[in-house]
Parts: sequence; structure tokens; C-alpha cells
Amino acid sequence: GNSVTQMEGPVTLSEEAFLTINCTYTATGYPSLFWYVQYPGEGLQLLLKATKADDKGSNKGFEATYRKETTSFHLEKGSVQVSDSAVYFCALINTGRRALTFGSGTRLQVQP
Amino acid sequence: GAVVSQHPSRVICKSGTSVKIECRSLDFQATTMFWYRQFPKQSLMLMATSNEGSKATYEQGVEKDKFLINHASLTLSTLTVTSAHPEDSSFYICSARDLSGVVNTEAFFGQGTRLTVV
Repeated sequence: GNSVTQMEGPVTLSEEAFLTINCTYTATGYPSLFWYVQYPGEGLQLLLKATKADDKGSNKGFEATYRKETTSFHLEKGSVQVSDSAVYFCALINTGRRALTFGSGTRLQVQP
Repeated sequence: GAVVSQHPSRVICKSGTSVKIECRSLDFQATTMFWYRQFPKQSLMLMATSNEGSKATYEQGVEKDKFLINHASLTLSTLTVTSAHPEDSSFYICSARDLSGVVNTEAFFGQGTRLTVV
């Protein structure tokens, strides 16, 4: 079956630090990969996505590259801000399934 | 991007009562809607998948008589928590996709509903 594994949090960084949140997946076929962000008390917002191998998704300074050889989709940002503090979810969707499969989420706390 | 509106955002109810949560797709036809439950500091657990005009498909371990799902139109799905108990207190999130075409379309999420049963 499909599964997504994320690094455990919380991740605590100082403002302007470099961010990496690891994500690896297990899936048959060629899934699409996503990063969602959840701010406190809110639903999920799509942050970025990649639909095929070697695609790079990017948005608001965040990037992630679909690496089929390592089954990974690590999230990176060169310089985090306090406003980036949130929970980040890695997810995949496979052609044969209609619902997303989520990782456990990683809480990011950015301190001024 | 497409907007999914979920209502209410917060609700407090007494044990034994029922609560209805609405999920609307505002600018696209949601052929398929998903209901998730999220426990504090945990990931989203898929509860059920519903297609417009047909019965919902529930995930293993989810009581279909307790969590009633209706998807009567292409823009509205409802989740009713019947005879609520404190252990049903949670954050419920809906998601919608248009699967009428051949493209692997994006899923859009509602804002979530915080249910507290007292």
C-alpha cells in the first residue's frame, strides 16, 4: 500500500535559518507528491506539488524535488521567517486511489 | 485556486446530541469529497469517501451509523456526528476533488471544524 514517512518534530529554528524537512514515500506506480501547510486552527493549504520524477515544486521560497530513485520529496527553504511557523504535511496521491495519503506532519517553530 | 468552505468552524455540543458539518465547493464541481479526522498533534485520518449521488465508502474502523455522510449535490457534502460523545471531540476536515475528467486533479481542503462534546 501507499505510505508517507516524515521526520518527527518539532523543528525549532531561528529566523533566517535553512530548513529541511525530510519526506520519503512508498507507493506503486507513479504517484503525485505534495506538501501541505496547516496554520493553527485552520485547514490545510497546498504549498507545492510535483507530478513526475525530477519535477521541482516551489512556492513562497519553499522547494521540493521529486526523487524517484530515493523515493523522497524533501522540503527546503533557504531562509525561514517567523510566519512560516506551522505544521507541514507531506502527502501523495496515486492514480489508483482517490484520497491523499498523508505523513504524520512536522511542526516547525521559527523563533525571532 | 478553488475554494472549499466548511461550516461551522467551531461547535460545542452536549453528549447525546447530533452535529452536522457542511462542506461546500464554491467554484468547481466536487464529484468526490473526503472526510478526515485529525487528533491533536497527529496526522489526518481518512474517515470516508463520498461520490455525488451515491453512498459513502467508509474506511475500516469508522462507524458508518455514527458518522453519516451525505453528498446530494456536486457542491455540497455533509457529515453528521450522531449521538456524540466526548471521545468524538476532534478536528474534522473535508476535502474535495473533481474526478470527472482524466487529469489527476488537485484536492482542495476546507478550513476544518473543531468539535467539542461536553
